Amino acid sequence: GENVEQHPSTLSVQEGDSAVIKCTYSDSASNYFPWYKQELGKGPQLIIDIRSNVGEKKDQRIAVTLNKTAKHFSLHITETQPEDSAVYFCAAITNDYKLSFGAGTTVTVRA
Amino acid sequence: DAEITQSPRHKITETGRQVTLACHQTWNHNNMFWYRQDLGHGLRLIHYSYGVQDTNKGEVSDGYSVSRSNTEDLPLTLESAASSQTSVYFCASSEGLGNEQFFGPGTRLTVL
Repeated sequence: GENVEQHPSTLSVQEGDSAVIKCTYSDSASNYFPWYKQELGKGPQLIIDIRSNVGEKKDQRIAVTLNKTAKHFSLHITETQPEDSAVYFCAAITNDYKLSFGAGTTVTVRA
Repeated sequence: DAEITQSPRHKITETGRQVTLACHQTWNHNNMFWYRQDLGHGLRLIHYSYGVQDTNKGEVSDGYSVSRSNTEDLPLTLESAASSQTSVYFCASSEGLGNEQFFGPGTRLTVL
């Protein structure tokens, strides 16, 4: 089955700096890669996703890049703000449409 | 507004008891999922359903069961609760296969 690895597990950045989270996946047939943000005491919420026919996608301060050859994808957050502090999960879809999640990255934005 | 709800939000039970966690969505989604979240493991799939009367095992299904008698609900049952099942449980639903999953607020379960 699909195996998704996520790094780093924790990330501390100064407000205004950029944050990058990287994920690798094992199944070359995976074609959908969502990123979820989880705030304390809440369920995960989709913030951006990318499909395999696209190499990069951007939404305001958030961008995701995908390298299908290397089987890795990354989340980039620019101009970080205190409200960006949360746990972020990457995921990849399996061939039977289930999502396989990374272990999560706890991002802390220092004021 | 359409939503997905879980109940109870917190539950403490004893080893060996049967426990049922409720999940209810009002989007009329065919696909529903149950995950558990543990530190260092992210979200792991317990069971999932692609429609009424359809249920499937995920990667950590031992000790859990689900039933899907209507579109809106997918209750998760722990047949005989064990301390290893202490976790936060999330229910999710999606409209189509390979589309965004919408998550509920979670249920924190403690098995003593």
